[in-house]
Amino acid sequence: GAVVSQHPSRVICKSGTSVKIECRSLDFQATTMFWYRQFPKQSLMLMATSNEGSKATYEQGVEKDKFLINHASLTLSTLTVTSAHPEDSSFYICSARDTGAYGYTFGSGTRLTVV
Amino acid sequence: EDQVTQSPEALRLQEGESSSLNCSYTVSGLRGLFWYRQDPGKGPEFLFTLYSAGEEKEKERLKATLTKKESFLHITAPKPEDSATYLCAFSNNAGNMLTFGGGTRLMVKP
Repeated sequence: GAVVSQHPSRVICKSGTSVKIECRSLDFQATTMFWYRQFPKQSLMLMATSNEGSKATYEQGVEKDKFLINHASLTLSTLTVTSAHPEDSSFYICSARDTGAYGYTFGSGTRLTVV
Repeated sequence: EDQVTQSPEALRLQEGESSSLNCSYTVSGLRGLFWYRQDPGKGPEFLFTLYSAGEEKEKERLKATLTKKESFLHITAPKPEDSATYLCAFSNNAGNMLTFGGGTRLMVKP
């Protein structure tokens, strides 16, 4: 089945630094990838939709200058949290849409802690 | 406005005690209704996709059904390893993305 690999699984960074999270589709090409944010005991909230070779589409209220998304190839999308602050601490999850039976496959998530 | 609501928010069951989780939705043009399982600290794991009212799908102790307004995830004789958060989500004809409900946290005690 379709597999999406997300790295790192956990990262701790200092306030004011930037962190990059990678999302790779391992066995299929993903023209569209999605980035979600999840707070404890809450559901997934879509942050942005990433399309290969074009600018990402951000959901209302998501700062595009803080959360930089790059989808440079059909198998890789990256999310960079710039000038991170403690309130950016959260669980970030990527997803890729494939044309197989599963439709949407999710990565294993990245726990970001900003200290 | 398209939306999806899950109930209950949390459910405690004894091992072997069957039950159902509810996902109520209002979608102008439903493309697919999805069920996922999520364990703590992990990404969602795909369970089922349903496309039209009347459709049913089964996998081990789980069975998903779909009507024009609701989807149910039936759990038959659950085991402790079924403990997880179950998420439903929809995609509509307007866009590519999934919209998630709030989830149901299921705890199955031995």
